[in-house]
Amino acid sequence: AQKVTQAQTEISVVEKEDVTLDCVYETRDTTYYLFWYKQPPSGELVFLIRRNSFDEQNEISGRYSWNFQKSTSSFNFTITASQVVDSAVYFCALSEDQGAQKLVFGQGTRLTINP
Amino acid sequence: NAGVMQNPRHLVRRRGQEARLRCSPMKGHSHVYWYRQLPEEGLKFMVYLQKENIIDESGMPKERFSAEFPKEGPSILRIQQVVRGDSAAYFCATSSTGVGVHEQYFGPGTRLTVT
Repeated sequence: AQKVTQAQTEISVVEKEDVTLDCVYETRDTTYYLFWYKQPPSGELVFLIRRNSFDEQNEISGRYSWNFQKSTSSFNFTITASQVVDSAVYFCALSEDQGAQKLVFGQGTRLTINP
Repeated sequence: NAGVMQNPRHLVRRRGQEARLRCSPMKGHSHVYWYRQLPEEGLKFMVYLQKENIIDESGMPKERFSAEFPKEGPSILRIQQVVRGDSAAYFCATSSTGVGVHEQYFGPGTRLTVT
């Protein structure tokens, strides 16, 4: 069975600090996809990144970076030099390659960036 | 290029009434996924449909909930005889194909409040 765990329920940091959001996943499939979504206070879901299980290269996009490690089944997300606009709930999700390919979401981490 | 559309954005129903939530996929998309987000929780998969077919309804409550995606028109999630516990945000996501492509585009959600 698939499972995604985001152990950090809430994180609060001061602006300009770096912050890392943890994501640990479980799956029996060898081919799968991992995602991060942002849900700002307005409520919509904003797609941030998708990685497949064969690509373990870390990715950087501006102030955002992702660290995918199959050995520890983790897909962590780091925001560098955080800004108040980064305040949101962040969800990690997993999709397997077979069947319905539905997304399995973690519980989310509420990130608050204080000025 | 219109994105995924959901309406209504907010819906208030009294206990016992019916709720009908609509999802219009992006142009060219024929796969629809419905997810439910209960307060302070992550999103949970409900059902996956293709045109005129339910492919996976493993996340649907056994009673009062149904979904359809007719040949013409939007996908409909119907909740009969709503109860307070149905209050949640309901998101639909659509994709161009369910196999081999893992890009699900989310709509803005419908927030259902049962009074």
